[in-house]
Amino acid sequence: QVQLQESGPGLVQPSQTLSLICSVSGASIRSGGYYWSWIRQHPGKGLEWLGYTYYGGSTDYNPSLKSRVTISIDTSKNQFSLKLTSVTAADTAVYYCATDGDGSGTGWFDSWGQGTLVTVSS
Amino acid sequence: QSVLTQPPSVSGAPGQRVTISCTGSNSNIGAGFDVQWYQQLPGTAPKLLIFSNNNRPSGVPDRFSGSKSGSSASLAISGLQAEDDSHYYCQSYDTNLGGSVFGGGTKLTVL
Repeated sequence: QVQLQESGPGLVQPSQTLSLICSVSGASIRSGGYYWSWIRQHPGKGLEWLGYTYYGGSTDYNPSLKSRVTISIDTSKNQFSLKLTSVTAADTAVYYCATDGDGSGTGWFDSWGQGTLVTVSS
Repeated sequence: QSVLTQPPSVSGAPGQRVTISCTGSNSNIGAGFDVQWYQQLPGTAPKLLIFSNNNRPSGVPDRFSGSKSGSSASLAISGLQAEDDSHYYCQSYDTNLGGSVFGGGTKLTVL
């Protein structure tokens, strides 16, 4: 079973860049076979898929955030990251990293990090 | 507004059966993409309950079952127990978005 752990600042100032890292254990990103995703949940609200990346392949983003989001892989550390630029209070949320269970990019998320709350405030 | 529509809340007494609906469209569920269901307890990450419409991961009780028809899907929970009191989310893939979409979530209250 893949295990995921998010890390990063819990407080980001408005207009700055939110940066989070997801550390992966139990699988090698370099081996392929998984889509590595970021999902967020606004306080008391539902889940929103932000985007995914696939080693050696595609990266795709939610169109509502596409101009501000970047997801990338660091194979040397077996990590993938999220960068969200020009943040506002509306980006305050719990951010989860997750990976899919069937390697298709269209299926289920069976491994999740514990989530990290990021607050955008001055 | 979520791409997939769920009722905000449902309730049932212990031992009863409840269902939670998830309505999509021709760009997601109706296009043939599978539906998944997750349970989320307060302060925790979502946990996969049902994948590919009607399959349970190892360890999920058979009291939980899923179905799909047309552009909609349902999660059924039979023999309600106190620990089922939680939020439930459906999820699928959407061709317009080019990624995964979730329902707005349903709060199940066990009376």
